[in-house]
Order: sequence, then C-alpha cells, then structure tokens
Amino acid sequence: AQKITQTQPGMFVQEKEAVTLDCTYDTSDPSYGLFWYKQPSSGEMIFLIYQGSYDQQNATEGRYSLNFQKARKSANLVISASQLGDSAMYFCAMRVHSGTYKYIFGTGTRLKVLA
Amino acid sequence: EADIYQTPRYLVIGTGKKITLECSQTMGHDKMYWYQQDPGMELHLIHYSYGVNSTEKGDLSSESTVSRIRTEHFPLTLESARPSHTSQYLCASSDPRGDLYNSPLHFGNGTRLTVT
Repeated sequence: AQKITQTQPGMFVQEKEAVTLDCTYDTSDPSYGLFWYKQPSSGEMIFLIYQGSYDQQNATEGRYSLNFQKARKSANLVISASQLGDSAMYFCAMRVHSGTYKYIFGTGTRLKVLA
Repeated sequence: EADIYQTPRYLVIGTGKKITLECSQTMGHDKMYWYQQDPGMELHLIHYSYGVNSTEKGDLSSESTVSRIRTEHFPLTLESARPSHTSQYLCASSDPRGDLYNSPLHFGNGTRLTVT
C-alpha cells in the first residue's frame, strides 16, 4: 500500500534560518512523483516543488529544495532563509505511475517562523 | 498554470438544506478531485473523476455526490446538509501528459462550509 508519513506535527524556526520538514513514503511502484504543498491560514493549497523517482538530482525552486534519498524513501523539504510568510501548514504528497490517478497526502507539518 | 475556481468561498447554511459547491477549471484538465479537510488536518479524498461521465468515490466515505457532465465543471452536492458536514472542501485538477506521475495537483481556493 502507498503511504506518506510526516512525523513532525509542528516546527519552529527563527527568521532567516533554514528548516527541514521530514517526509517518508512507501510504495512498491518504481515510478512515482513526490510533491510538496504549502497551505497558509487562508486555506488555499500552493504547489511548491516536485521530485520524480528517476530524477538524479535534487529538485530546487528558489528557497525550496527537496532532499531526495531514494534508498531511505525520504523526500524532505528544505526551506532556506526562512521568512515570516513561510508560516503555514506543509503537506507532502505522492502519486504513483500505475493504478489510479490518486494523490496521497501526509498529515502535514505546521511551521511557525519566529521573528 | 491551471486556473481553477471554487464558489462560494464561504457558506453558512442550516441543517437539512440542499447545497451545491461549484468547481470549474479553464485548462481542459481531464482529472478532477474533491478533498475534504478539517482545519489544520490532513486532506481526505472524497470524489474524483477521470473525465466526462466518469466519477469515482474516494478513500473517505462521503454523503455527497458529484457529476461531470462537462470537462471544465465538477460540482459537489449535499442533498441534506448536517453539522457533521462542516469542513473545508478543496477542488483540484491535474493533466498528466507524458509521464503519468509528474503532474502536480492544482487547487482552487476552497469552500469553507458551516452547517448550523
């Protein structure tokens, strides 16, 4: 069965510091995609970054990077130089190649950036 | 970039009323989804569609129903609202061309439903 696990319900980080949000996944499908989303208090879901299972390099998008360790089945999100506006819920998600077109989400991590 | 719209943004309604939450997207995406989310909690898939006239129930049992008569439109209906239906409902779409697993979900802004 496919599963996403986010073990950090909440995290604090000082402004301008880097923070890592953990995500582990479970699938037997060799082809899959991993996604991170940000959900501010206003409720919308904002797509941040994508990593494919066959990608050789870690994905980066501005201040966001994905630390992809395939053997460990982890896809941690790294936010560099945290800003107050980064305070939000962060969700890790996965979609596998075979079977249905469903996306599987983790339970989320609430990040609070401190001034 | 997908444009996906949900209306209303907020809805407060009494028990027993019939409601329809609207979701439309302008990018011609085949795949559309409805998620239910309590504040600060995980997302639960309640319905999805692979295309016109195709709908499936998701992983979380829901008393709501959906229809997909047009590609761009995927409304969700509750025949008789109850306080237990109070939640946020998020609509999303994706268009996985080429590699089937690399297309992100594009979300609408959500509808926050309160049933009194």
